[in-house]
Amino acid sequence: DQQVKQNSPSLSVQEGRISILNCDYTNSMFDYFLWYKKYPAEGPTFLISISSIKDKNEDGRFTVFLNKSAKHLSLHIVPSQPGDSAVYFCAANSIFNTDKLIFGTGTRLQVFP
Amino acid sequence: GAGVSQSPSNKVTEKGKDVELRCDPISGHTALYWYRQSLGQGLEFLIYFQGNSAPDKSGLPSDRFSAERTGGSVSTLTIQRTQQEDSAVYLCASSLEPGLTFGSGTRLTVV
Repeated sequence: DQQVKQNSPSLSVQEGRISILNCDYTNSMFDYFLWYKKYPAEGPTFLISISSIKDKNEDGRFTVFLNKSAKHLSLHIVPSQPGDSAVYFCAANSIFNTDKLIFGTGTRLQVFP
Repeated sequence: GAGVSQSPSNKVTEKGKDVELRCDPISGHTALYWYRQSLGQGLEFLIYFQGNSAPDKSGLPSDRFSAERTGGSVSTLTIQRTQQEDSAVYLCASSLEPGLTFGSGTRLTVV
């Protein structure tokens, strides 16, 4: 049972445009969400997070939006840069299991010039 | 070092052999996790250690998999009688708020 879903395995975006990566979850107990970025042959690195008390969190070119009623979150990257090309994982956990992150399957983003 | 260190970085083993994967977490981090990423798959939770509490083993796929954490620091993930479906990148992480800090992983190939 995949509790965190990233239905798009890949995304290709032109440099300078907006990249939108989507994530859906099924467990209504999830209340903290994170995005990780992974380059080949490296471990994932933390990118940005959002708690369920907010619907938006912004950090430079990266913004995460949370729609609790739809159990949906998205990561916006604008403007996209070639160095953003990586696999992006969405992750979630709950206050009842604060340290056990459940990850999605990832979306491979390619930003082309 | 300052990060999570895993060894070996690559391991090729014959089907049926046992393997041990090692993780050195960030000093002082009480929580340690093992995840694995199979080809075309997401990050699959395996096991979680928190301080002196009993580990959460709910993600281990079979009884061939086991892990221990000695002295609250270094962890070893052991896979007995490896199978080809065990081939994956095994990632260790320790907790650093607001998320996890991952090592670079061990790529295990079972031939």
